[in-house]
Amino acid sequence: ETGVTQTPRHLVMGMTNKKSLKCEQHLGHNAMYWYKQSAKKPLELMFVYNFKEQTENNSVPSRFSPECPNSSHLFLHLHTLQPEDSALYLCASSLGLAGADTQYFGPGTRLTVL
Amino acid sequence: QQPVQSPQAVILREGEDAVINCSSSKALYSVHWYRQKHGEAPVFLMILLKGGEQKGHDKISASFNEKKQQSSLYLTASQLSYSGTYFCGTEWGAYNNNDMRFGAGTRLTVKP
Repeated sequence: ETGVTQTPRHLVMGMTNKKSLKCEQHLGHNAMYWYKQSAKKPLELMFVYNFKEQTENNSVPSRFSPECPNSSHLFLHLHTLQPEDSALYLCASSLGLAGADTQYFGPGTRLTVL
Repeated sequence: QQPVQSPQAVILREGEDAVINCSSSKALYSVHWYRQKHGEAPVFLMILLKGGEQKGHDKISASFNEKKQQSSLYLTASQLSYSGTYFCGTEWGAYNNNDMRFGAGTRLTVKP
């Protein structure tokens, strides 16, 4: 089993839909992250969880709602999204929040909002 | 504030060398380097901590100059497999992994 898995890999949704992205890590890590990667823009940190507690919400609109039921699973619930939310959403995990802890990324979910 | 990477893109022939720079306007605790191939997840290459580290594996190495608030990634005798977009991620504190900022990336293309 690969380290960090994400489902679905591709998602197309309308602006009125509700969907969820799932991330699972098999590395025994305690910290998990959601990033947004848009074309020609740097990776943008969205949310950080450490030991299931949210430690960072980087001014993300409320139409994105994260959930971390345990240290191995992370969800991103989506509702009433806008076309500009179309992007690659990457999940990552690290052992902890120390600056020396490497973040391992999942393959991402390519989201298209119509 | 995101770090600034340069160049934005570079094209090489197999066997040539390249240097990618990552600069920050703030003092750094660590610099992380990743490579991302199209349609794939970013893959960790190496991390450098403050103290002026240099690291390398195979023909990819990096240095971290705290004073200049800059890190450089060196790719020597490039191979086709080196093609991809290289990102640096920077952190400003020892326990600040929740505030990593990434550069916009450097697209590297290695041609036969």
